[in-house]
Amino acid sequence: ELKVEQNPLFLSMQEGKNYTIYCNYSTTSDRLYWYRQDPGKSLESLFVLLSNGAVKQEGRLMASLDTKARLSTLHITAAVHDLSATYFCAVGYGGATNKLIFGTGTLLAVQP
Amino acid sequence: KAGVTQTPRYLIKTRGQQVTLSCSPISGHRSVSWYQQTPGQGLQFLFEYFSETQRNKGNFPGRFSGRQFSNSRSEMNVSTLELGDSALYLCASSSADRAEAFFGQGTRLTVV
Repeated sequence: ELKVEQNPLFLSMQEGKNYTIYCNYSTTSDRLYWYRQDPGKSLESLFVLLSNGAVKQEGRLMASLDTKARLSTLHITAAVHDLSATYFCAVGYGGATNKLIFGTGTLLAVQP
Repeated sequence: KAGVTQTPRYLIKTRGQQVTLSCSPISGHRSVSWYQQTPGQGLQFLFEYFSETQRNKGNFPGRFSGRQFSNSRSEMNVSTLELGDSALYLCASSSADRAEAFFGQGTRLTVV
């Protein structure tokens, strides 16, 4: 059974600081997704990582995937208040399916 | 291009009743997945449909069922509602296997 662990669960950081969210998963997968969720809202797709060593950047967020270590990271650079949200990683099963297993989520609060 | 549309957005039901939720995927997407989100259990996979066939089912009781129509629209049904079924139900559509999943706004179900 595929399990996804995300840490930290809660992250309070000051504007301008850098930090990293970690996503570990238990069995082999070659695709990983990062989503953002604002309170009371749905999931917004941030990154799709489909191969070992994949790195994608958008604004102050950068995501990477190491399939050998079964680890993905979401790095936040020079945080701003607008980044405050809950961030989820999700791992895909192999084969012909779009089933995703989600991590617990990281609640990010950026303080001015 | 229209996104994933879920109806209704909010529902209040009484224990023992049944409910049907609807999801219209992005045009051209044949894969539809359903997830339940609660504060205690997080985001959990319910089931996935592709071309009117259920491909995967999560660990939920038989009270939870779904179907997909020839136009790829999907419905999920929950019978004999319990208080614990109160949750945000999210639908996601994908264009192909292992492709990016786009989420709808969700249906917030409250069981009283």
